[in-house]
Amino acid sequence: DIQMTQSPSSLSASVGDRVTITCRASQSIASYLNWYQQKPGKAPKLLIYAASSLQSGVPSRFSGSGSGTDFTLTISSLQPEDSATYYCQQSFSTLYTFGPGTKVDIE
Amino acid sequence: QLQLQESGSGLVKPSQTLSLTCAVSGGSISSGGYSWSWIRQPPGKGLEWIGHIYQSGSAYYNPSLKSRVTISVDRSKNQLSLKLNSVTAADTAVYYCSRFSRGIDAFDIWGQGTLVTVSS
Repeated sequence: DIQMTQSPSSLSASVGDRVTITCRASQSIASYLNWYQQKPGKAPKLLIYAASSLQSGVPSRFSGSGSGTDFTLTISSLQPEDSATYYCQQSFSTLYTFGPGTKVDIE
Repeated sequence: QLQLQESGSGLVKPSQTLSLTCAVSGGSISSGGYSWSWIRQPPGKGLEWIGHIYQSGSAYYNPSLKSRVTISVDRSKNQLSLKLNSVTAADTAVYYCSRFSRGIDAFDIWGQGTLVTVSS
């Protein structure tokens, strides 16, 4: 299995802050990395696919970068509605795996 | 717009079989370029991919669950099904069906999820 790790596990930031979440794969996954946002009681929502492509309808303050084993999700200017848990997920291997999540709170 | 809706028993006894369906509306489950997955999330925990099925009918499962899982498609009803047998409390989770788009290699559409509790 390809193991995914994320850091930090949680963070608290203010509205307007730049926030960065890191995801690391246990082996190279090229750019087969996706990011999801999940709010309490809701299904995950696709934000970024192929490491850096913005899903249709997702605000441009979200961006992704990286390749190989190290990836980042950046929120350029944190908004109150961005309070959620963010998951990375690899699709390099058909045994799809997710990171443990990063909870983002608004101060 | 394609929508997914899970349904099934919310309470299952230990050792019994969990059965869920996922109704697909606004599009066909037989459309090319997609596979259809089940993903679960234990309360307060992360996401675990259970398995998926392709348009061809070929199914692939997470090895950790493979001996207990069956995913199938009923094209006449435009729905996806999940059966998980010999359940234990560890199978208590919210179960999601999701469309995996092979064009972008990501889960682009999700159902709202359904909570299944395993308890006597």
